[in-house]
Amino acid sequence: SQKIEQNSEALNIQEGKTATLTCNYTNYSPAYLQWYRQDPGRGPVFLLLIRENEKEKRKERLKVTFDTTLKQSLFHITASQPADSATYLCAHTTGGYQKVTFGIGTKLQVIP
Amino acid sequence: EAQVTQNPRYLITVTGKKLTVTCSQNMNHEYMSWYRQDPGLGLRQIYYSMNVEVTDKGDVPEGYKVSRKEKRNFPLILESPSPNQTSLYFCASSLGPAGEETQYFGPGTRLLVL
Repeated sequence: SQKIEQNSEALNIQEGKTATLTCNYTNYSPAYLQWYRQDPGRGPVFLLLIRENEKEKRKERLKVTFDTTLKQSLFHITASQPADSATYLCAHTTGGYQKVTFGIGTKLQVIP
Repeated sequence: EAQVTQNPRYLITVTGKKLTVTCSQNMNHEYMSWYRQDPGLGLRQIYYSMNVEVTDKGDVPEGYKVSRKEKRNFPLILESPSPNQTSLYFCASSLGPAGEETQYFGPGTRLLVL
């Protein structure tokens, strides 16, 4: 069955640097892959969606790439700030676009 | 303000006592979902709905029921709660299918079943 894995549970990075988070999937390429931000005790907030036929998507300091050969999506935050500290979740559809599977998330800590 | 609301936010109950968690959205979205979030397991989809009276199972539907009688509301029903249903629950809505569109999540309901 399809699995979605995020590369590590925690990532610490110095303020101002670029944070790169990884999302890997097995088997088939999802048609859509989404990234969300979640703060402690709160619901996830949608950030970006990338389609299978798109290589890259940007939104302000955020960038998502989708490599179907490596079966991987990378999520970048440039010029990271302490306010970017949160858990970041990737998600993809599994057989029918209503069903969504989430990774367990990567907790990002930006150190001043 | 566009939002998804859930009630209650916190609930402590005992095994076997039926409960309902309400979810309401004011964005006229057709698609709604329920998720549970557990440490080490992430968010898992329980049920989803494509429109009024149209619902289907997600990955972990056992022990849960849903109904969609009105477009804006999507209650989650636990007819006989058990301790393994202790979790953080989120409702979400989207204009189109959840995987294709922005999902808007509610604030969460933290449930403890004793």
